[in-house]
Amino acid sequence: QQQVKQSPQSLIVQKGGISIINCAYENTAFDYFPWYQQFPGKGPALLIAIRPDVSEKKEGRFTISFNKSAKQFSLHIMDSQPGDSATYFCAATLPGDSWGKFQFGAGTQVVVTP
Amino acid sequence: ETGVTQSPTHLIKTRGQQVTLRCSSQSGHNTVSWYQQALGQGPQFIFQYYREEENGRGNFPPRFSGLQFPNYSSELNVNALELDDSALYLCASSLGTSGRAPDTQYFGPGTRLTVL
Repeated sequence: QQQVKQSPQSLIVQKGGISIINCAYENTAFDYFPWYQQFPGKGPALLIAIRPDVSEKKEGRFTISFNKSAKQFSLHIMDSQPGDSATYFCAATLPGDSWGKFQFGAGTQVVVTP
Repeated sequence: ETGVTQSPTHLIKTRGQQVTLRCSSQSGHNTVSWYQQALGQGPQFIFQYYREEENGRGNFPPRFSGLQFPNYSSELNVNALELDDSALYLCASSLGTSGRAPDTQYFGPGTRLTVL
């Protein structure tokens, strides 16, 4: 049973455009929601993360929007650049002793065209 | 670079064999998690070790086992390999668990295992 559902599976955006990736979760006990970026041949790298007591978090060109009531969160990549072409994963984890046992989405492959 | 290293980079085994994958965590990180990432999928949590003790397991059979050593290294062992075990195996290290404030989890580059 997939606890975190991610969409779309792939995305093509022009340079300078906005990439939007959405995730939905089932377990309301999740309390930490990171986004990871993965390049071919590399492990995932933390991009940005949010806790459920915040509705939005921005770091540079990357913004997470969080809707607790809808159990959804999304990643917005503003002014997309060719170097942003990668696979993006959303994830969620429980607090306390269960922290770090991430449930990942299936991933979104983003291609930014010049 | 995250400071988390994994070896080997690639590995080819045949069905029924056993394999050991290794991970070296960032210095001081007392928690290591292992994930299996099938092609085109997100990582799936296998298990986590905290201070050399298993601290939770995902939906993986007992033939997946692990060890964590005091020198911040760890191993993932898989017995009786099956074709479906072909995947990228990732380890991730972090500082703290069991109620402590969550710290960033750093992933290694992974080991690509192919089972023929």
